[in-house]
Amino acid sequence: QQQVKQSPQSLIVQKGGIPIINCAYENTAFDYFPWYQQFPGKGPALLIAIRPDVSEKKEGRFTISFNKSAKQFSLHIMDSQPGDSATYFCAASRALTDKLIFGTGTRLQVFP
Amino acid sequence: GAVVSQHPSRVICKSGTSVKIECRSLDFQATTMFWYRQFPKKSLMLMATSNEGSKATYEQGVEKDKFLINHASLTLSTLTVTSAHPEDSSFYICSASISHTGELFFGEGSRLTVL
Repeated sequence: QQQVKQSPQSLIVQKGGIPIINCAYENTAFDYFPWYQQFPGKGPALLIAIRPDVSEKKEGRFTISFNKSAKQFSLHIMDSQPGDSATYFCAASRALTDKLIFGTGTRLQVFP
Repeated sequence: GAVVSQHPSRVICKSGTSVKIECRSLDFQATTMFWYRQFPKKSLMLMATSNEGSKATYEQGVEKDKFLINHASLTLSTLTVTSAHPEDSSFYICSASISHTGELFFGEGSRLTVL
């Protein structure tokens, strides 16, 4: 119930493509769903986050789609660039101040 | 965004010694800080939740006597790996929660290598 399942494990796209990363959860008490970007040897950086009361949130080239009934959420990266090559983690928590449960991560490679 | 500073970024120590890693919130007060461990190409595993002025709450399977956590002020938490062994070699990452919003920011991580 505490798990957050993330797929795919790795993703390769060409520059300009739209990679999509999916996450699913079981715990209906989860109330906060952030996405983090991590470069090798660095800590994760918050990209974008969503609460269950909205179905979509967009910030720049990053969009989260949220399906509450299916208990799924996904990250779309528009017009992907080689600089977006990183590992992406979805996460969930019961409240903004509660501990985060991370997905397994998706390694994204964007080729020129 | 808010800045969380971790020090040292890299540390190499001999087996049996203790190592302290600091986590500081530079421009905000953090009532709660979290410590994670990450193995190569793996996800972040929560080790413990640290609240200022109280004992840390450890996740199941994490040895509290091995990984000592102290959160002495609203801007500083420390993780001490006691009697380190090679299997403790890992990437340790802290995160701090802004007290009034709960938004979470991560440090840059500390790579520990135990010889």
